[in-house]
Amino acid sequence: DAKTTQPPSMDCAEGRAANLPCNHSTISGNEYVYWYRQIHSQGPQYIIHGLKNNETNEMASLIITEDRKSSTLILPHATLRDTAVYYCIVRANRDDKIIFGKGTRLHILP
Amino acid sequence: EPEVTQTPSHQVTQMGQEVILRCVPISNHLYFYWYRQILGQKVEFLVSFYNNEISEKSEIFDDQFSVERPDGSNFTLKIRSTKLEDSAMYFCASSIQIYYEQYFGPGTRLTVT
Repeated sequence: DAKTTQPPSMDCAEGRAANLPCNHSTISGNEYVYWYRQIHSQGPQYIIHGLKNNETNEMASLIITEDRKSSTLILPHATLRDTAVYYCIVRANRDDKIIFGKGTRLHILP
Repeated sequence: EPEVTQTPSHQVTQMGQEVILRCVPISNHLYFYWYRQILGQKVEFLVSFYNNEISEKSEIFDDQFSVERPDGSNFTLKIRSTKLEDSAMYFCASSIQIYYEQYFGPGTRLTVT
């Protein structure tokens, strides 16, 4: 089962930053936080991952709290194409498979 | 940008028939995966494959399922005798190294009638 808790849905206005929270209070020291998204009926798309430091790439930023029990994915300037289900996944460095939860359905509003 | 491709995009088959779903992983990736997603449900892991062997498989991946890398580019999932409950989206994924991020294909929608 998924080790993360995410709100089932969120809205964000187009052009604003979308901040998606995730709780992973039972995370272990060897477990990474991964984010994927799934745009309607498409394959999951890798976004970003991190262990304890904040990470940024061309798609998003990942902020992990110091105790690592929660994190936030930030899409800095949301567009309509960012409407998708966003999955926060905790994955050990020995886990080959990805275990998906229900994710957060993000609606970007025009 | 390299991407995982899958064919066909939609496959309709009758119950009891065999189907083969095809995937072309990203060319320098060494680890390959199949997942499935029944309509309205979570994405579920089926199997991982490396060095021509299954690394791990889930309970879903029973004797009706098999995987193969028949050549240097293709990775296939075979369902020997399809059931109605096999109707789902099947996603192939690949990664360059084990435990690295996985890149998913667009999926094959399998409909069993």
